[in-house]
Amino acid sequence: DAGVTQSPTHLIKTRGQQVTLRCSPKSGHDTVSWYQQALGQGPQFIFQYYEEEERQRGNFPDRFSGHQFPNYSSELNVNALLLGDSALYLCASSRQVGGYTFGSGTRLTVV
Amino acid sequence: AQSVTQLDSQVPVFEEAPVELRCNYSSSVSVYLFWYVQYPNQGLQLLLKYLSGSTLVKGINGFEAEFNKSQTSFHLRKPSVHISDTAEYFCAVSLYSGGGADGLTFGKGTHLIIQP
Repeated sequence: DAGVTQSPTHLIKTRGQQVTLRCSPKSGHDTVSWYQQALGQGPQFIFQYYEEEERQRGNFPDRFSGHQFPNYSSELNVNALLLGDSALYLCASSRQVGGYTFGSGTRLTVV
Repeated sequence: AQSVTQLDSQVPVFEEAPVELRCNYSSSVSVYLFWYVQYPNQGLQLLLKYLSGSTLVKGINGFEAEFNKSQTSFHLRKPSVHISDTAEYFCAVSLYSGGGADGLTFGKGTHLIIQP
């Protein structure tokens, strides 16, 4: 049974560009959350998707947007990249309270 | 809004010694509590969670934690550590709102260093 799958694993972008990160949830999970983890810090909650709608959002600017598809997979989009957006982006899926499963993350470097 | 404080950024411990990693939280409502472990260049793995019921929670790899509501703490313990326990440990809280659990709020992490 595959867990949470994220792609790509690494990528490098230039300031001002746009990026799309992808997440396939664990089988049976219907809720997807995204987190940003800067180097040496704890993960910070970006937003959560359930039934293809953004259910909750953390303290991130509108440059960060997302989408959830009918098969529960999800995308995170970041526009107008800044150097400070360099981080590990983690996707977590769940179906019920406390059942969060994390992927291995996408390491984004903005130069 | 809720917050999580991990009181130690780094904890060095000798192999086979006991360890306690401290976590305090702040919230005006009831929360769910979690401990995650992160090995280098990997995602997060759930060690244990407190949702309700018994305040002593047992997790994987011999870890356990005790929920103390009066002290708003959820400290992680292990009676005897191994070299393989060297990792970053994160405490996290989540609220419950209607349709499911909210996003997790994490502490800044504690780096557990096991010395031979």
